[in-house]
Amino acid sequence: GQQVMQIPQYQHVQEGEDFTTYCNSSTTLSNIQWYKQRPGGHPVFLIQLVKSGEVKKQKRLTFQFGEAKKNSSLHITATQTTDVGTYFCAGVSSNTGKLIFGQGTTLQVKP
Amino acid sequence: DAGVTQSPTHLIKTRGQQVTLRCSPISGHKSVSWYQQVLGQGPQFIFQYYEKEERGRGNFPDRFSARQFPNYSSELNVNALLLGDSALYLCASSPTGPNEQYFGPGTRLTVT
Repeated sequence: GQQVMQIPQYQHVQEGEDFTTYCNSSTTLSNIQWYKQRPGGHPVFLIQLVKSGEVKKQKRLTFQFGEAKKNSSLHITATQTTDVGTYFCAGVSSNTGKLIFGQGTTLQVKP
Repeated sequence: DAGVTQSPTHLIKTRGQQVTLRCSPISGHKSVSWYQQVLGQGPQFIFQYYEKEERGRGNFPDRFSARQFPNYSSELNVNALLLGDSALYLCASSPTGPNEQYFGPGTRLTVT
């Protein structure tokens, strides 16, 4: 079945450093979504990308959708302690229409 | 505006019992999805309902069932509980289909 893989699983950075998490799907996606989950909380929607090669920015966060619509990345510039949490990508399969989550990348930021 | 609400917040059940979890979507949202999240993993898709019809089902056994009511609220039922069913059960609503999901706070189910 469809799989969505994320790397790395964990990342520890010093405040001010950049951070990137990568997401790869075994099948073509109709869209990719990104979520953030704080410890003890629930996933919060960040953004949705639909078009091949699409790039969107939200302040210090940059999201990309690959040309083949099978991979995506989230880049955070100059991390802050408020960026701590687990970042999930979630892809909607072009075949099944189901939303499948990756296993997440947990970001720790040292002040 | 109220977000997605779920009840109960926490639940402890014994193996073999049955449980019903409830979810109220954001007003105007017609799609409700259910996810199971085990510690350290991403949410696993269980069901999606849109306009009271099942639109998708994940790889979960038939012990799991759900329904959506005319007011778009939803229930998730799990029969014959197993220890492995212990997890955070998340409900999410969206205006249409599997697009941007707005999650509720979840129900923490513990099976002993």
